[in-house]
Amino acid sequence: DSGVTQTPKHLITATGQRVTLRCSPRSGDLSVYWYQQSLDQGLQFLIQYYNGEERAKGNILERFSAQQFPDLHSELNLSSLELGDSALYFCASSMGQGYGYTFGSGTRLTVV
Amino acid sequence: DQQVKQNSPSLSVQEGRISILNCDYTNSMFDYFLWYKKYPAEGPTFLISISSIKDKNEDGRFTVFLNKSAKHLSLHIVPSQPGDSAVYFCAASANDYKLSFGAGTTVTVRA
Repeated sequence: DSGVTQTPKHLITATGQRVTLRCSPRSGDLSVYWYQQSLDQGLQFLIQYYNGEERAKGNILERFSAQQFPDLHSELNLSSLELGDSALYFCASSMGQGYGYTFGSGTRLTVV
Repeated sequence: DQQVKQNSPSLSVQEGRISILNCDYTNSMFDYFLWYKKYPAEGPTFLISISSIKDKNEDGRFTVFLNKSAKHLSLHIVPSQPGDSAVYFCAASANDYKLSFGAGTTVTVRA
């Protein structure tokens, strides 16, 4: 157990639907990062939050949004889902640069 | 725009031999580099890191080398063990805390 909890582990949904992925960071970590890993591709950075505020944005689609709540857990919302959104979505947390990230085990999203 | 590149998608090595994984980067602002290891159905786990003020960092069987002039880093695993079979990701960051990852190299250690 890495200390970063992601739910659900698996999600199957239809095109056009909306889903919410949840992440609880490791205790004491203020930063949360979301990454997407599509088939045969590396980890693509989506977005970072630090203590409730958006800190950095990557190649996140407009159909996707995220937030970090006062208790530091984070949610990634994916809407108007397309087949190409099928991927592994990882959440990671950290104390800051120099400490590395701790990753959750991911949510596997399948859009059918 | 892929700022971190791992050009070898796979590597096969015999148990007990050295595994060398390579990584190149393009962003000269990167000042912190990391390697992560990932098993199937698990999230990546931190393996070893190096700051740009160093050119080598060692942790047990794992050593990371950084060549800033060439914008190149490598991970050496000596000796390779069957449990090292996994996907290895190279990652880098500037001062913005965000990590950019390479596409990964799948290492297979043969008995």
